[in-house]
Amino acid sequence: AQKVTQAQTEISVVEKEDVTLDCVYETRDTTYYLFWYKQPPSGELVFLIRRNSFDEQNEISGRYSWNFQKSTSSFNFTITASQVVDSAVYFCALTQGGSEKLVFGKGTKLTVNP
Amino acid sequence: DTAVSQTPKYLVTQMGNDKSIKCEQNLGHDTMYWYKQDSKKFLKIMFSYNNKELIINETVPNRFSPKSPDKAHLNLHINSLELGDSAVYFCASSQDRLTDTQYFGPGTRLTVL
Repeated sequence: AQKVTQAQTEISVVEKEDVTLDCVYETRDTTYYLFWYKQPPSGELVFLIRRNSFDEQNEISGRYSWNFQKSTSSFNFTITASQVVDSAVYFCALTQGGSEKLVFGKGTKLTVNP
Repeated sequence: DTAVSQTPKYLVTQMGNDKSIKCEQNLGHDTMYWYKQDSKKFLKIMFSYNNKELIINETVPNRFSPKSPDKAHLNLHINSLELGDSAVYFCASSQDRLTDTQYFGPGTRLTVL
């Protein structure tokens, strides 16, 4: 069975700090996809990144970066120089080959204080 | 342009009523979904449709019935609403069933009194 664990329920930082959101996943499949979504206070779900299991390259997009490590089944998300607008709930999610069922972690609520 | 839209955004109703939530996507995607987000923010899939065909029905009560009149629309009808149905319901779509990213609508907050 698939499972996504986001052990950090809430994180609070001060603006300009770097922050890493942890995501650990479980799957028996060798083919799977990992995702991060952002849910700001306004409530919508915003897609951030998708990574397939055969691509372990880290990704950087502006202040956002993702570290995918199959050896530890982790797909961590780092925000560099955080800003107040980064305040949101961030979800890590997984689908495995042969299914479109997106399994979400419980989310990490990030609060960036000015 | 809105990619995945849902109506209404808010829905407040009494127990026992029947209500519908509409979803439309203008992305040309083949697959659409309904997810439920509970009061603790936990997100779980309810249904998926591919080319108007039901693929996933994730042990949802029979009171919930999705209907897909065409590839661009997936509506959710709920009969005999219960207090526990209060949640945010998200519609989503993806180009490909198995490998593509799911893009979500803005959500519909349903409150059952």
